[in-house]
Amino acid sequence: EDKVVQSPLSLVVHEGDTVTLNCSYEVTNFRSLLWYKQEKKAPTFLFMLTSSGIEKKSGRLSSILDKKELFSILNITATQTGDSAIYLCAVKGAQKLVFGQGTRLTINP
Amino acid sequence: DTEVTQTPKHLVMGMTNKKSLKCEQHMGHRAMYWYKQKAKKPPELMFVYSYEKLSINESVPSRFSPECPNSSLLNLHLHALQPEDSALYLCASSQVATGTGAFNEKLFFGSGTQLSVL
Repeated sequence: EDKVVQSPLSLVVHEGDTVTLNCSYEVTNFRSLLWYKQEKKAPTFLFMLTSSGIEKKSGRLSSILDKKELFSILNITATQTGDSAIYLCAVKGAQKLVFGQGTRLTINP
Repeated sequence: DTEVTQTPKHLVMGMTNKKSLKCEQHMGHRAMYWYKQKAKKPPELMFVYSYEKLSINESVPSRFSPECPNSSLLNLHLHALQPEDSALYLCASSQVATGTGAFNEKLFFGSGTQLSVL
């Protein structure tokens, strides 16, 4: 059965800190790995990664995929209180998108 | 317009009620999804429609009945629900690859309907 595991499940840091969120997976016929940010209700798309070693970057957020070791990391530098959210990792295999449990990130001022 | 709109935002219903959740998108996406999300858990796939036809049913109980009247609309009809069905119900949409029919994994989510069953 396809599986996506995120760590840590919860993280509390101070504004300005840098955080690294982890996502490991076991999926048949891997196609892609996606990161979503969920504040309050609607998950919003951050990144989609398909190739190993190529960093995707958007402002203070960046992500990279390692297809050999079956994991991805999401980095957030110079964190702000607006970064507080649940960060979901999802992996597309042969069929459906499988979500991890999410990392609840809290940024304290 | 890159929005997926869901109504109502909140719904409280008794176990004998019949209600419907509605979802609308105008991005030209031909795949639409229903997900269920319990507190502190990831979204769980319920149904997928592709070109207005039911493509995936994740063994969801028959008290949940999906409907896709056209390419922009997706409904979820609810009847005789149980308290354990209380959750956030998320609608999403995505493109479908022409030719292969593969669902694009980049989903656009609505804000959800927070459902409470008493």
